[in-house]
Amino acid sequence: DAGVTQSPTHLIKTRGQQVTLRCSPKSGHDTVSWYQQALGQGPQFIFQYYEEEERQRGNFPDRFSGHQFPNYSSELNVNALLLGDSALYLCASSLIGLYKYFGPGTRLTVL
Amino acid sequence: DQQVKQNSPSLSVQEGRISILNCDYTNSMFDYFLWYKKYPAEGPTFLISISSIKDKNEDGRFTVFLNKSAKHLSLHIVPSQPGDSAVYFCAASVVAGTYKYIFGTGTRLKVLA
Repeated sequence: DAGVTQSPTHLIKTRGQQVTLRCSPKSGHDTVSWYQQALGQGPQFIFQYYEEEERQRGNFPDRFSGHQFPNYSSELNVNALLLGDSALYLCASSLIGLYKYFGPGTRLTVL
Repeated sequence: DQQVKQNSPSLSVQEGRISILNCDYTNSMFDYFLWYKKYPAEGPTFLISISSIKDKNEDGRFTVFLNKSAKHLSLHIVPSQPGDSAVYFCAASVVAGTYKYIFGTGTRLKVLA
């Protein structure tokens, strides 16, 4: 079992650009959550997808959007990148009611 | 507003001794608490959890204690090993909701050989 996988590992973008990050959940998991971890901080909840719908959203602007596909994989899109969007983006998968498995993350640097 | 707080950014402990990591929360709606461990270049790994109906949960060398009246939980690692050196995050959730986790800022544990 590969666990939660994320791609790419690292990414460098410039301000104003758009980025798409990808996540494949652990086998058998149907729920995917995305978290942003800034340097020196704990992960912050962005949103959660279940049955291809956004079920809950954290305190992030509409520039952050996502999608879940029928195979439960997910994408996180960020538009109009700001310097402050530089962070580690973590994907976590779970079955409802159970603890989350996290992927290794995508390190996004915005210049 | 930081609803989950880990006030000690770092902790050093001698190998074989007890490590105690602390976490405080402010939201009385939280009823499920977790500890995650994170090594560099890896995602957080689940360590142990506790429901608010309990005050203690044990798993091998790891024990989590919950004091609901003080809104405080702690993680005890006995005995500490060099491989335990990592950043430890406390997280809280409202189980009846959508299970989003609210994380603390982490405590970096260093176990000295």
